[in-house]
Amino acid sequence: EVQLVESGGGLVKPGGSLRLSCAASGFTFYTYNMNWVRQAPGKGLEWVASISSSSSYIYYADSVKGRFTMSRDNDKNLLYLQMNSLRAEDTAVYYCARCTSSWYGGFDQWGQGTLVTVSS
Amino acid sequence: DIVMTQSPDSLAVSLGERATINCKSSQSVLLSSNNKNYLAWYQQKPGQPPKLLIYWASTRESGVPDRFSGSGSGTDFTLTISSLQAEDVAVYYCQQYYSSPPEYTFGQGTKLEIK
Repeated sequence: EVQLVESGGGLVKPGGSLRLSCAASGFTFYTYNMNWVRQAPGKGLEWVASISSSSSYIYYADSVKGRFTMSRDNDKNLLYLQMNSLRAEDTAVYYCARCTSSWYGGFDQWGQGTLVTVSS
Repeated sequence: DIVMTQSPDSLAVSLGERATINCKSSQSVLLSSNNKNYLAWYQQKPGQPPKLLIYWASTRESGVPDRFSGSGSGTDFTLTISSLQAEDVAVYYCQQYYSSPPEYTFGQGTKLEIK
């Protein structure tokens, strides 16, 4: 069974940092491109970042570029999102999600999400 | 950036009736070289992550009931639920994956309720 389990969320002050993790199991993690998607409370879905299977390519939404860093450890089946210079508008549930096929076909597997709250 | 706009924002349909949700992209997501539309549909129930329903605009994900169907091409797409069931109450999102390099964008969502 495919599983994606996020962790690392919590309450952080504006300007602070947080690192999210996503533990993958039940599939050959190192062959899939992966993503982070967030959802502010009561709002819609916003793509945050994507990383290729070998970490050769990493892409970010303009809203997080220069502040967030996505990475992965294929030996440990882990995905990361390092979030710096956090703002109130970064408050959201953060999901990790798997690309269906290469970069295409949508996202076929999602974790349950981890809540990040940025507030003083 | 490709902007995705869904209509309506909310919809109330009687059980057993047809539900139709529209999605319009600000530019075509049809790649002429392979004749594929780079569009997906998701269902999100309260307190749950999104679930992929349809990709390539009309291909149902494995396990998705056949009452769900996707249609359209270019810039205009439709998600149809042929006979609404109580468990279909959810928010539905469209997403384009046409952009290269990847810059996935979602529609704002359509909330589907029972009338």
